[in-house]
Amino acid sequence: QKEVEQDPGPLSVPEGAIVSLNCTYSNSAFQYFMWYRQYSRKGPELLMYTYSSGNKEDGRFTAQVDKSSKYISLFIRDSQPSDSATYLCAMSANFNKFYFGSGTKLNVKP
Amino acid sequence: GAGVSQSPSNKVTEKGKDVELRCDPISGHTALYWYRQRLGQGLEFLIYFQGNSAPDKSGLPSDRFSAERTGESVSTLTIQRTQQEDSAVYLCASSLALVPEGLFGPGTRLTVL
Repeated sequence: QKEVEQDPGPLSVPEGAIVSLNCTYSNSAFQYFMWYRQYSRKGPELLMYTYSSGNKEDGRFTAQVDKSSKYISLFIRDSQPSDSATYLCAMSANFNKFYFGSGTKLNVKP
Repeated sequence: GAGVSQSPSNKVTEKGKDVELRCDPISGHTALYWYRQRLGQGLEFLIYFQGNSAPDKSGLPSDRFSAERTGESVSTLTIQRTQQEDSAVYLCASSLALVPEGLFGPGTRLTVL
């Protein structure tokens, strides 16, 4: 079983939709949770970072961590075509090693 | 410099040769990370340095891979006896301690023929 599971998609939504991206994990020691966005042929960029459980909001983006279910989510409100990218989740127990999901490809149609 | 820099930007090598990839982090960033991304695939964590030490090297794919960092600055990732499956973009990132990396370098595209 992989440490981190992420649906590869592709996920296609109309502009303005609420997008939900998810990852599940198996290691209960994970306490650092990250979401990255990667545009085609570009390097990744850190989008959101959450420590332990709870929610974190930044503009149209909300990161949610449910440690009891070993489940993390990234919500994008009022999605835009410019949000079309691959979204990667990542997590770590102690910052010494990171585990990545395989990435979900999102396409927001105008 | 203003950002993380990596060299070379592209490297084509023959199977069996050794290669050395370099990362210059942002000045003052004590944490440095190496990743690999194969074509069309997700990001694969390789190693993390806090200062000059790497607490966990188990992310390196095989014993052909090694990494070092000196002066809490430049880091080199060395791949010995390269194989075709080593072909990938190798990315480096740096950050302040215990803050996840948000600043990636442009990467080194390695092609092993």
